Amino acid sequence: SAVISQKPSRDICQRGTSLTIQCQVDSQVTMMFWYRQQPGQSLTLIATANQGSEATYESGFVIDKFPISRPNLTFSTLTVSNMSPEDSSIYLCSVVQGVTGELFFGEGSRLTVL
Amino acid sequence: AQSVTQLDSQVPVFEEAPVELRCNYSSSVSVYLFWYVQYPNQGLQLLLKYLSGSTLVKSINGFEAEFNKSQTSFHLRKPSVHISDTAEYFCAVSLWGGGNKLTFGTGTQLKVEL
Repeated sequence: SAVISQKPSRDICQRGTSLTIQCQVDSQVTMMFWYRQQPGQSLTLIATANQGSEATYESGFVIDKFPISRPNLTFSTLTVSNMSPEDSSIYLCSVVQGVTGELFFGEGSRLTVL
Repeated sequence: AQSVTQLDSQVPVFEEAPVELRCNYSSSVSVYLFWYVQYPNQGLQLLLKYLSGSTLVKSINGFEAEFNKSQTSFHLRKPSVHISDTAEYFCAVSLWGGGNKLTFGTGTQLKVEL
């Protein structure tokens, strides 16, 4: 199974600033996904990031707010821009691996915006 | 669009008692079904999945789930729970040919008590 490392694991940020979350995978993967888990809620897909193409965003999420980079097959970043307290969430990176398309998740980055 | 409903937000149960966590989905096309578990302060881990074939699927730690197409359900069961099963459980669905994007339910907090 894929091993996914996310940095930072947690951070406290000030309103109006931006934070970049890194996701490193121990093997090459084609598809990577970024999810958000708001306090007490379920996971919501933000975007799909494939290497060599622009990220595809889900309804309600835009590139200006959540720019994503995917420079190679083992790494991706998600930036949360111009943060507000409503952005306080856990952000999770996930990858698809195997013929059955199983999703593996990183441990998440817990972001608190003051 | 597909959706997942987990009616029970919290399920308290005594150790060694049986438990059922309910999951219903809606979709106009065929789906894959998953249960993920999130232990306190950890990332999501795949517990079990239904892709095709036998409608009863089992995990290595005693959980099982049965896909019921007529009732559009995928309830999770365990005949005897342990303290270590205390966690958040998420039901999720992806569409055949949907690019591995998961739609999650709101989660059920299983609390096992002595």
